[in-house]
Amino acid sequence: EAEVAQSPRYKITEKSQAVAFWCDPISGHATLYWYRQILGQGPELLVQFQDESVVDDSQLPKDRFSAERLKGVDSTLKIQPAELGDSAMYLCASSFLGTGGVHEQYFGPGTRLTVT
Amino acid sequence: AQSVTQPDIHITVSEGASLELRCNYSYGATPYLFWYVQSPGQGLQLLLKYFSGDTLVQGIKGFEAEFKRSQSSFNLRKPSVHWSDAAEYFCAVGPSDGDKLIFGTGTRLQVFP
Repeated sequence: EAEVAQSPRYKITEKSQAVAFWCDPISGHATLYWYRQILGQGPELLVQFQDESVVDDSQLPKDRFSAERLKGVDSTLKIQPAELGDSAMYLCASSFLGTGGVHEQYFGPGTRLTVT
Repeated sequence: AQSVTQPDIHITVSEGASLELRCNYSYGATPYLFWYVQSPGQGLQLLLKYFSGDTLVQGIKGFEAEFKRSQSSFNLRKPSVHWSDAAEYFCAVGPSDGDKLIFGTGTRLQVFP
C-alpha cells in the first residue's frame, strides 16, 4: 500500500540553526499539506499545495518558515532560524479527490523536532 | 468561530468494554466530519468520515460514529475495545471538499487488560 514518506523521523537542533524536513506524497496525489502538531494538541495546517502552487499559507510564520514543492511532487519545509517554540511534530499529508469530490487525506509518520 | 471540542483528554477502559469518545463542533456551513487515530510516534490514520446520508457511519477496526446535528456532535463508538486500540483519537471538521481540516485536541485512550 502506498504511503506518504517523511524524513528525518527525528531531528534535534539548537535554536537559531536552520532545519529542513522532506515529504514524498503518494504518487498521483496533487494536493500536499504540511501540519504542525504541538504536544497535546491537534494538527494545525501550515501550508497547502496544489501541484507546485501554494493555495494556503495563511498560518505559516513566513519570517522564519518556508515551503516549496518545485516539481509538484515532493516537498520541503524549512525553518530558519529555529526557535524553542518550534518544537513539535511536523506532519505531511497528501490527498486525492475521492468519493463525491471530497479530499481524503493520508498522513505520513511525521518528523519530531526538538529545539534546544 | 469554527472549532472542534473533544471534552475528554484521557480515557481509560478495560479490554472488552464499550467505548464512546465525544466530539462537538462549531461550524458555519454544512460540516464534513472525520475521526482519525494516531498511534505513538505515527501519523494519523482515517477511521471514518461523514458527509451526508445515514447519520450512523461505519469505519475501520470496528468503529462507528453517529452524527447528531441538533447536538452538534459526532461521537465515536466501539462495542468492545481491544488492547491494540490504545492510541490518540482526533475528531476533525472541514468544508464540503474535505480540505482545510480543523482538528480537536485529541483524546488519549488507554486500555487495561
